[in-house]
Amino acid sequence: AQSVTQLGSHVSVSEGALVLLRCNYSSSVPPYLFWYVQYPNQGLQLLLKYTSAATLVKGINGFEAEFKKSETSFHLTKPSAHMSDAAEYFCAVNTGTASKLTFGTGTRLQVTL
Amino acid sequence: ETGVTQTPRHLVMGMTNKKSLKCEQHLGHNAMYWYKQSAKKPLELMFVYNFKEQTENNSVPSRFSPECPNSSHLFLHLHTLQPEDSALYLCASSARDRSQETQYFGPGTRLLVL
Repeated sequence: AQSVTQLGSHVSVSEGALVLLRCNYSSSVPPYLFWYVQYPNQGLQLLLKYTSAATLVKGINGFEAEFKKSETSFHLTKPSAHMSDAAEYFCAVNTGTASKLTFGTGTRLQVTL
Repeated sequence: ETGVTQTPRHLVMGMTNKKSLKCEQHLGHNAMYWYKQSAKKPLELMFVYNFKEQTENNSVPSRFSPECPNSSHLFLHLHTLQPEDSALYLCASSARDRSQETQYFGPGTRLLVL
């Protein structure tokens, strides 16, 4: 069985500060991992994904995530937050052969001046 | 992102009504999905279609009836819904029904059942 845990349902950072959103997964086989972002009144947009190539994955809008097998983690980071980054972020895992994503409960990012 | 469109964007219906949600993808994909997004709960996969064939039904109540007439269109027919079915319903598509494929999401239909 696969599962995802996102620590912190709400994260608040100042504009220009480091963004760190945590994601831990549970899987008995090598996983595929995804980060999606959802802006208000919109669907989910892919930020980045890990598919067993490089462990440090760079995505859109300056975000990146590092796959750490020993820690079963795939945390999302951005060096400097912008007001436009305020949104909800979802981590997802897939370990099967079909495209059956299991999502975390999401982390709402607030960016303050 | 206009690759996946959903209509209507908002829907209010009574428990005895029948309505349908429509999803269309313009990406040339072969797999389509319905998800339910409720407050404070993870996204729940409802149905998966691959080349128009249903490959996943995640124990969804029969009051939700999907239809996939071709690889570009996906419908969700609703009847005798309950208030707890109020949620955001998201459609997604991917090139194939494979685990490493990226799913592209539509903007969703916000459903309120009275």
